Amino acid sequence: KQEVTQIPAALSVPEGENLVLNCSFTDSAIYNLQWFRQDPGKGLTSLLLIQSSQREQTSGRLNASLDKSSGRSTLYIAASQPGDSATYLCAVNTGFQKLVFGTGTRLLVSP
Amino acid sequence: DARVTQTPRDKVTEMGQEVTMRCQPILGHNTVFWYRQTMMQGLELLAYFRNRAPLDDSGMPKDRFSAEMPDATLATLKIQPSEPRDSAVYFCASGSEGFTYNEQFFGPGTRLTVL
Repeated sequence: KQEVTQIPAALSVPEGENLVLNCSFTDSAIYNLQWFRQDPGKGLTSLLLIQSSQREQTSGRLNASLDKSSGRSTLYIAASQPGDSATYLCAVNTGFQKLVFGTGTRLLVSP
Repeated sequence: DARVTQTPRDKVTEMGQEVTMRCQPILGHNTVFWYRQTMMQGLELLAYFRNRAPLDDSGMPKDRFSAEMPDATLATLKIQPSEPRDSAVYFCASGSEGFTYNEQFFGPGTRLTVL
């Protein structure tokens, strides 16, 4: 059974810092991996999707990498801003569109 | 801009009552998903439709939950009878299933409280 873990569970940084969020999964047989952002009381916003054949994806200040063989993905946020404060979730697609979600990292960026 | 919509946004009901949640997927998307989020379990997939046909509802308690897609613009999730343990945020997501690109887009959720 696929299990997805995110470390750290919570992170607090001052504005301007570069930071890395980690996601690990137990079964490397995945189709893709998706990073989401969730604001309190809101739905999920898709940030980046990496297909299993890709190594990384970039969008603005965000860069996500995927190492399928080791079961790891990282989300790098450059020059963090208070508006980046949210919970970040990774999810792996195990086939037939099934997403298995990680436990999330709660990020707080202080001014 | 195109987005998934869900109604109601909040629902408070008493144990034993029927609850119906509705979702309008993004126009043109052919896959629809229902998820449930709780503090204890996180996000769990309940059911999944492709081209309006149910493909997988193994995550759903069959005795009280049912999911349907009456047409391509409406998906429903019903709970009858509701129980306090059903209290959670229920999310609908839609996607366009292709060969490789299958990103899922989430609605704002329905927060259900069963007293």
